[in-house]
Amino acid sequence: EPEVTQTPSHQVTQMGQEVILRCVPISNHLYFYWYRQILGQKVEFLVSFYNNEISEKSEIFDDQFSVERPDGSNFTLKIRSTKLEDSAMYFCASKGGTYQPQHFGDGTRLSIL
Amino acid sequence: AQSVTQLGSHVSVSEGALVLLRCNYSSSVPPYLFWYVQYPNQGLQLLLKYTSAATLVKGINGFEAEFKKSETSFHLTKPSAHMSDAAEYFCAVSAGNQFYFGTGTSLTVIP
Repeated sequence: EPEVTQTPSHQVTQMGQEVILRCVPISNHLYFYWYRQILGQKVEFLVSFYNNEISEKSEIFDDQFSVERPDGSNFTLKIRSTKLEDSAMYFCASKGGTYQPQHFGDGTRLSIL
Repeated sequence: AQSVTQLGSHVSVSEGALVLLRCNYSSSVPPYLFWYVQYPNQGLQLLLKYTSAATLVKGINGFEAEFKKSETSFHLTKPSAHMSDAAEYFCAVSAGNQFYFGTGTSLTVIP
């Protein structure tokens, strides 16, 4: 069964550094998402991406965040200057159609030191 | 506006007992509802989905959920809990492109 894959599984970064989290969505999917889950808290929506542009974003997704689909397969989340509070699990998801379920990757655990 | 409320952040059941995890939704449009499970250190796995077809939805691992419009509920059940069911369960409602997740219910299965 096709899967969403995320790399790396764990990323450790110094505060203030840039970090790029990578995702390979399911190949025929059209909608792409990033979510964040701070330890012990609920899953929070960050951003959705469709037709090569951001379709929705939350208040969490400020100017420090950006997303890109640099080629036909990858979908990346960049945090420009990381803060301690960016430490969380970051999940990528994709779906094939408007009312289809989202399929999630296993997440990248981001630890900011 | 769309939202989901999961009653009970922690639920404990004995192995073999009924599992009932509660979810109530709020939606200004006909909702599409989902249950996801998250095992420790893993991502979110789809358990089942309701997309306006049958109101009783069967999912993986013996779970099912019933959509009740009059109660705005979509509770998740399993007749007999197994140790491997211990995990975090999230209810979600879809509105267009965005998903809204509940705060999750942690299920503990007691041997």
